[in-house]
Amino acid sequence: EAGVAQSPRYKIIEKRQSVAFWCNPISGHATLYWYQQILGQGPKLLIQFQNNGVVDDSQLPKDRFSAERLKGVDSTLKIQPAKLEDSAVYLCASSLVGRELFFGEGSRLTVL
Amino acid sequence: SQKIEQNSEALNIQEGKTATLTCNYTNYSPAYLQWYRQDPGRGPVFLLLIRENEKEKRKERLKVTFDTTLKQSLFHITASQPADSATYLCALDTGGGNKLTFGTGTQLKVEL
Repeated sequence: EAGVAQSPRYKIIEKRQSVAFWCNPISGHATLYWYQQILGQGPKLLIQFQNNGVVDDSQLPKDRFSAERLKGVDSTLKIQPAKLEDSAVYLCASSLVGRELFFGEGSRLTVL
Repeated sequence: SQKIEQNSEALNIQEGKTATLTCNYTNYSPAYLQWYRQDPGRGPVFLLLIRENEKEKRKERLKVTFDTTLKQSLFHITASQPADSATYLCALDTGGGNKLTFGTGTQLKVEL
C-alpha cells in the first residue's frame, strides 16, 4: 500500500515570497491533516479536512496561509507571503475516522 | 489553559533497561490517546492507541497506561535497544472527529 506522498521535500525561499506544498493521502482516507513542526517542538495542527470540507482551521494563520483539498483527495498548502518564522517542516497526514494517522516524510521550508 | 506536556529533557538509558516516558495533560478530556515515534528527518510513525476506558495496552516490548484521573499516560519500552533511540510523541484526541493535538515529544537515547 502506498503511503502519504508529499512534495517538495525541501524548499528555500526569501521572505515575502510564496511557496506551495502538495500532499497525496492514502487512498480511501477521508481525513487529511496539515501540521507544522518547528525544530525541537511537536507537530502543530494547521488544518484538518474531512473529505473536501474543513473540520478545523483554528490555528491556520489565514492572512498568509491557505489550503485546499481537491475533490476530497489531494491537498495543497500555500504560504504567501512567507515570514522567517514560517521556517519549519510541514507534515501531511491522513487517516480513517477515529484511527491512527499516517504521515508523509514532510516538506522542509527554510525562509531566508 | 490547555496543555500537553512531555519531558523536554532527553532521556538516556542503558541497553536492556526499561524506558519510561511521561505524557501529562490539563484541561482536556480525550476519548483516546496515541503514541508515535519520530526519527530525525522523518514523519511520525504510529505505535499504540489507548482509549479512555482502557487502563493498559501492550504491543510486543511496548506498554502504555492511561490514567484519566491523573490526566497522565506512561509509555514503557522494555528491554530497550539502541534502535529504539528516537523522539516519542504523545497525541490526544482534543476535539472529536479525530482531531489530534501533539505533545512536544521526548528524545530517547539508548546506549550500549
